[in-house]
Amino acid sequence: GAGVSQTPSNKVTEKGKYVELRCDPISGHTALYWYRQSLGQGPEFLIYFQGTGAADDSGLPNDRFFAVRPEGSVSTLKIQRTERGDSAVYLCASSTWMNTEAFFGQGTRLTVV
Amino acid sequence: TQLLEQSPQFLSIQEGENLTVYCNSSSVFSSLQWYRQEPGEGPVLLVTVVTGGEVKKLKRLTFQFGDARKDSSLHITAAQPGDTGLYLCAGESTSGTYKYIFGTGTRLKVLA
Repeated sequence: GAGVSQTPSNKVTEKGKYVELRCDPISGHTALYWYRQSLGQGPEFLIYFQGTGAADDSGLPNDRFFAVRPEGSVSTLKIQRTERGDSAVYLCASSTWMNTEAFFGQGTRLTVV
Repeated sequence: TQLLEQSPQFLSIQEGENLTVYCNSSSVFSSLQWYRQEPGEGPVLLVTVVTGGEVKKLKRLTFQFGDARKDSSLHITAAQPGDTGLYLCAGESTSGTYKYIFGTGTRLKVLA
């Protein structure tokens, strides 16, 4: 596609529920990043994929968070047993292997009530 | 842990004024990027600086990377209402995984 696409754009869920957030990167981009941005803050790194593998998942806050990229393209961020503190905008970005410029999607605004 | 602090957090100025935003860390970064983010959108890259002491200009915006690659500044000349937004610096981690650490952000409002 022309840009990074994230779905849904907004997600409201009840505390304790499971959610999946999807990211479609720019075609051909091998690197994919997930960030979380709370209101008024800068994005916080969660996980980075190079191809199908997670090259760095040091930003995942706890074991309720998990991300996959099975075919090296689309990625899904999965959050189990959601908590109100998980409410934030989840941003996805992609880049080529050698080019460090990352292109961001518009984000998914997750609200846990 | 590599952290980036930006100052000021908020800035409200009149059209035509100049301003400088600072991005500081105690850590060295391989490179540093500046982004601008508008409400409801993802950050958009403005510039990447790689070499210590490097200065880059983008129209009315001047970016500088500190000699020790621990800090950076963004200077805007003759600010315009269209410059309004959240400005973010992001440093490339030296861990080798191409991970970027974002700063705390500076929210700029330029009044007409």
